[in-house]
Amino acid sequence: GAVVSQHPSRVICKSGTSVKIECRSLDFQATTMFWYRQFPKQSLMLMATSNEGSKATYEQGVEKDKFLINHASLTLSTLTVTSAHPEDSSFYICRAWGGTEAFFGQGTRLTVV
Amino acid sequence: QKEVEQDPGPLSVPEGAIVSLNCTYSNSAFQYFMWYRQYSRKGPELLMYTYSSGNKEDGRFTAQVDKSSKYISLFIRDSQPSDSATYLCAMSEDGGSNYKLTFGKGTLLTVNP
Repeated sequence: GAVVSQHPSRVICKSGTSVKIECRSLDFQATTMFWYRQFPKQSLMLMATSNEGSKATYEQGVEKDKFLINHASLTLSTLTVTSAHPEDSSFYICRAWGGTEAFFGQGTRLTVV
Repeated sequence: QKEVEQDPGPLSVPEGAIVSLNCTYSNSAFQYFMWYRQYSRKGPELLMYTYSSGNKEDGRFTAQVDKSSKYISLFIRDSQPSDSATYLCAMSEDGGSNYKLTFGKGTLLTVNP
């Protein structure tokens, strides 16, 4: 099946710093990218949806200035957690839609200390 | 009440057992129903996809949807240790893969040899 490569798989950062997470579709063009967050023992929650070349649409309660999403090309989308705080520690995962099917990345475990 | 309820388990069964995983939901507009399997440190992979009520079988896996009861199930026959994973139900109102998915919390399944 198609591959979505997400990096890094695990990151630890200091409070107040920014972290960038990348998702690349390796063998298809991802016209839409979904970004999810999952807290322990909770469901995957949609944070935002982005279409290539357009501004992302954020779900209610998700701060767009804190979670910056860039989808400048059909094979790359990035999520930047700005001024991260311990409460941002979570599992972040992308899901790329290529026109017929959607595929998840491997996820990123973010720990803010 | 959460939109999608799924017993997180954990569920432990012997090899060869029949496994039953379930989700209930409250949004009657959901029409597309999916089951994902997620191995440790990997992204979820689509296992079963059904539209509206009914059954769908694929090898050892059977998905059932009962929209009147707002209840979906995944059955695994002759379970194998390789089936050990977290199983997530997901559903959407429209479009399947290209639409927003609402997830259950996931059920952790262990199949013991």
